[in-house]
Amino acid sequence: AQSVTQLDSQVPVFEEAPVELRCNYSSSVSVYLFWYVQYPNQGLQLLLKYLSGSTLVKGINGFEAEFNKSQTSFHLRKPSVHISDTAEYFCAVSRLSGTYKYIFGTGTRLKVLA
Amino acid sequence: GAGVSQSPSNKVTEKGKDVELRCDPISGHTALYWYRQSLGQGLEFLIYFQGNSAPDKSGLPSDRFSAERTGGSVSTLTIQRTQQEDSAVYLCASSYRGDSYEQYFGPGTRLTVT
Repeated sequence: AQSVTQLDSQVPVFEEAPVELRCNYSSSVSVYLFWYVQYPNQGLQLLLKYLSGSTLVKGINGFEAEFNKSQTSFHLRKPSVHISDTAEYFCAVSRLSGTYKYIFGTGTRLKVLA
Repeated sequence: GAGVSQSPSNKVTEKGKDVELRCDPISGHTALYWYRQSLGQGLEFLIYFQGNSAPDKSGLPSDRFSAERTGGSVSTLTIQRTQQEDSAVYLCASSYRGDSYEQYFGPGTRLTVT
């Protein structure tokens, strides 16, 4: 079985500061990895995904993430955040076969302060 | 093009009543997923459809929950004899096919059981 841990439930950060949102996963098989963002009262939007290849993945809105197999991590980073980045961020994994259903972390609420 | 749509956006029902939640996936997407987002449980997988069949129903929390999909398109999630613990946001997602790993989410239906 797979599991995903997002240790930080809330992360406050000042505008234009860098941010890192942490994601660790556990799986006995290889997985795909995803970061989704959820703005208030909206569905989930894909930020980026790791399927294979380069471990540094770039996504939308200036976000990037690095896959670290040895540490089973997939942390999300942005060098300079904006007020508009205030949202909830979810890390998810899916197996490379079967139904491809997502196993989600509990989410990290990013609050960007002026 | 059109994204995943869900209706109603909000539903308030009395305990013990039945409810139906609808999902219209992106045209041409053969895979469809239902997830539930609640305060206590985070984001949980409920059921997966490939075409009209549901090879994975492992996330349905009880036999009060059922879902169907017709014409390889619209899906309905039915909750019978609703309980207060059913209160949550129900999210639908679709993907081109089950092995294309990237899922597109709808805005969700917020269900409140009073």
